[in-house]
Amino acid sequence: DAKTTQPPSMDCAEGRAANLPCNHSTISGNEYVYWYRQIHSQGPQYIIHGLKNNETNEMASLIITEDRKSSTLILPHATLRDTAVYYCIVRPSAGGTSYGKLTFGQGTILTVHP
Amino acid sequence: DTEVTQTPKHLVMGMTNKKSLKCEQHMGHRAMYWYKQKAKKPPELMFVYSYEKLSINESVPSRFSPECPNSSLLNLHLHALQPEDSALYLCASSQDFRTSSWYNEQFFGPGTRLTVL
Repeated sequence: DAKTTQPPSMDCAEGRAANLPCNHSTISGNEYVYWYRQIHSQGPQYIIHGLKNNETNEMASLIITEDRKSSTLILPHATLRDTAVYYCIVRPSAGGTSYGKLTFGQGTILTVHP
Repeated sequence: DTEVTQTPKHLVMGMTNKKSLKCEQHMGHRAMYWYKQKAKKPPELMFVYSYEKLSINESVPSRFSPECPNSSLLNLHLHALQPEDSALYLCASSQDFRTSSWYNEQFFGPGTRLTVL
């Protein structure tokens, strides 16, 4: 499975956009990019995932570069409740036992300031 | 109902005790997972069940014994644990991961915080 590299920590002002980068230079053609976050003392929460195209949902946007070697998670208007550890994960698209495995990296601690 | 519930929330046990962690979901998911998370570390996968059958065991010591009695329930039986097994134990569920599905994210419970004395 492809590994991911994320900055250990980032800060963001409340109301501003938070842009969290992730490097996955060894990603293969059948692997998705998933983002989860974990708020303190809670279980991880799914945010968004993508394969090639940019994706948007009610929580965030995911921008994947054309060569798919990196991506950026965008929280358009960060709030204090967005303070969490954000994990970027690369996983196979489907099938086989490896698809069931979510391999979490160290993640990025995002702190949103008032 | 999009919730995964875990009981108990906290558990303190001695090294000679036998205890069990329980996880339940009613989303019709056919894959269920156990993760272990040490303080300030990311979650690590322990076991995966698919259609009540064990699919993945990440070389977990035998003092951890998983059980999936039905599609909604997942247990983790604990016996003769060590202090280093103290951690947050997370349960998750998803649709059957063996089939191609765009929306196959894992839903996590809040975890059981285990302390082994």
